[in-house]
Amino acid sequence: QKEVEQDPGPLSVPEGAIVSLNCTYSNSAFQYFMWYRQYSRKGPELLMYTYSSGNKEDGRFTAQVDKSSKYISLFIRDSQPSDSATYLCAVMNTGFQKLVFGTGTRLLVSP
Amino acid sequence: EAQVTQNPRYLITVTGKKLTVTCSQNMNHEYMSWYRQDPGLGLRQIYYSMNVEVTDKGDVPEGYKVSRKEKRNFPLILESPSPNQTSLYFCASSKTSGGYTDTQYFGPGTRLTVL
Repeated sequence: QKEVEQDPGPLSVPEGAIVSLNCTYSNSAFQYFMWYRQYSRKGPELLMYTYSSGNKEDGRFTAQVDKSSKYISLFIRDSQPSDSATYLCAVMNTGFQKLVFGTGTRLLVSP
Repeated sequence: EAQVTQNPRYLITVTGKKLTVTCSQNMNHEYMSWYRQDPGLGLRQIYYSMNVEVTDKGDVPEGYKVSRKEKRNFPLILESPSPNQTSLYFCASSKTSGGYTDTQYFGPGTRLTVL
């Protein structure tokens, strides 16, 4: 079983839609949760990070963690064509040494 | 401009021919790391370095070597490349030991093909 599971997509939505991206993880030792965005032919860039359970909001983006079900989500409101990218979830253990990535979900937002 | 640079960006080589992919950061970061990215497998860590002369294996270290003689540079060495090392490689750095509050900056990637 992979430590982090993520649907590869692609997920296609019209501009303005609310997007929900999700990951599940298997190890309860993971305490830190991150979302990276990767544009084509570029390296990933950190979008948001959260610690433990709860929500965190940054503009149009909301990250949500449910540790009881080992489920993490990223919501994008009012999606834009510029949001078209691959979104990778990542989890980290308490020792800060192991960062494990999901396989990424490709998002396409059409005008 | 704060950045992580990698060279070369694209490389086609043959089995067994030693190669080095360079990585350099200009942010005085302590932590540096190498990843490979493959379809369906995502990003997997190859090696990481907590500081100068301190390196450790990640999840997929076989067939790779690294060194950290200077803080800014973290080259990835393939002593005898094989076709299964064909992949997209990323170097990353962060201020300290990869703590989640420290943004990891990724380089632009090196696409390696081993024939």
